[in-house]
Amino acid sequence: GDSVTQMEGPVTLSEEAFLTINCTYTATGYPSLFWYVQYPGEGLQLLLKATKADDKGSNKGFEATYRKETTSFHLEKGSVQVSDSAVYFCALSQNTGGFKTIFGAGTRLFVKA
Amino acid sequence: DAGITQSPRHKVTETGTPVTLRCHQTENHRYMYWYRQDPGHGLRLIHYSYGVKDTDKGEVSDGYSVSRSKTEDFLLTLESATSSQTSVYFCAISAKLQETQYFGPGTRLLVL
Repeated sequence: GDSVTQMEGPVTLSEEAFLTINCTYTATGYPSLFWYVQYPGEGLQLLLKATKADDKGSNKGFEATYRKETTSFHLEKGSVQVSDSAVYFCALSQNTGGFKTIFGAGTRLFVKA
Repeated sequence: DAGITQSPRHKVTETGTPVTLRCHQTENHRYMYWYRQDPGHGLRLIHYSYGVKDTDKGEVSDGYSVSRSKTEDFLLTLESATSSQTSVYFCAISAKLQETQYFGPGTRLLVL
């Protein structure tokens, strides 16, 4: 069945370090891919998305490219800040053979000053 | 921020009692969703709605029912709560299927 696998956390980085959070997926059909972020005590909010192969989503210095050949959607940021500390979720959504929306387990990021 | 509210925000109940959670939106979005969030599982879809009176099951629908009598309200009911339904429940909305979802603040439910 369809699934989303993302790297386990927590990930701990120093401020200004480079961030990569890996995400791979399995899906039938042509899913849209998303990264959501969750701050403590809040609901999820969209960070970025991509709707077709080779699309790059970007927002607030974060980027991810929809790679169909490697079924991946890795999240990157060149220089993290303390305020980026949160839980990040990779997700797919598709409507082939019935609607599905599947989230990864989440990766907690801690950024130290 | 999308106008989504959930009520109650916190609830403690006992095993075997019925519980209803409410999601209310002011965005007039067609699609509404209920998820549960548990450690190690991310979010899992319980039910979703694609219009008034139109609903469908998600990945973990057993033990839950939903209703949508108005565009703005989507109710999740646990007919007889069990301890395994202790979780944080999130409502979400979207204008189109397979598009960005906007999430409410969540309801923390504890079933004793």
